[in-house]
Amino acid sequence: DGGITQSPKYLFRKEGQNVTLSCEQNLNHDAMYWYRQDPGQGLRLIYYSQIVNDFQKGDIAEGYSVSREKKESFPLTVTSAQKNPTAFYLCASSPGLAGNNEQFFGPGTRLTVL
Amino acid sequence: AQSVTQLDSQVPVFEEAPVELRCNYSSSVSVYLFWYVQYPNQGLQLLLKYLSGSTLVKGINGFEAEFNKSQTSFHLRKPSVHISDTAEYFCAVKSTGGGGTSYGKLTFGQGTILTVHP
Repeated sequence: DGGITQSPKYLFRKEGQNVTLSCEQNLNHDAMYWYRQDPGQGLRLIYYSQIVNDFQKGDIAEGYSVSREKKESFPLTVTSAQKNPTAFYLCASSPGLAGNNEQFFGPGTRLTVL
Repeated sequence: AQSVTQLDSQVPVFEEAPVELRCNYSSSVSVYLFWYVQYPNQGLQLLLKYLSGSTLVKGINGFEAEFNKSQTSFHLRKPSVHISDTAEYFCAVKSTGGGGTSYGKLTFGQGTILTVHP
C-alpha cells in the first residue's frame, strides 16, 4: 500500500534534548512538508521541500531543522532552541508544489517534552 | 498573503440532522480550496476540493461544499450526519499561480470540531 509513515507515534523527551521525527513516503512524490498542530490553531507550516537536497523555511521554522537526502525521506529535528516543542507533528507529501496538487498526510507524531 | 477563518470552533449536532461548517478566506490571488477531516490522533484526510468548474463540489462520506467567490466562502454541508462524522474539520486554501512567497503552501483555518450526539 502506498502512503506516508511517521514514527514513532508518541515521543517523550527531556527539556534541552534534540529529537528527530521520521517521515517516509512511498508515493514517489517530489514535495514533502512538515506541519505543527496545536489545539485551536490549525496547522502551521514548519519546513517544506520541493526536491531532493532542497528545502525552504515555512512560517514557524525557528528551532527546527530538516534534511532531504532521499526522495522518500524528510526527517525533522526539533532542537533545544525550540521554546515550546510539545505538539502534534504532521508530515505530508504531494506530487509537486503546484496549487492543484493534493497533499497527503501521515498519521502524525505526538511529541511531549517533560 | 492569504488567510482562512473558520467561523465556529465547535459545532454540536444531533444524529441525522443537517450540518453546515463555515469557512471564509482572504487572498490577493486566485486560490484552490480544500476541506480535510481529522479523526482523533490521526492525520488529515481530504474530503473534497474546488479547483475550477462547478461551484458545488461533492466529496466523500456524503459531504459537499459550495464555492462563493463574491463572498469568499467555501462552506461545508451534509444533509444528515452520523455519529461517525464526529471529528475535526479543516478548511484550507492554496494559491493557483506559481512564484511568490505563498507558492505551494496550504494555509489552514483553525479547525471546527463537529460532535454528533445520539
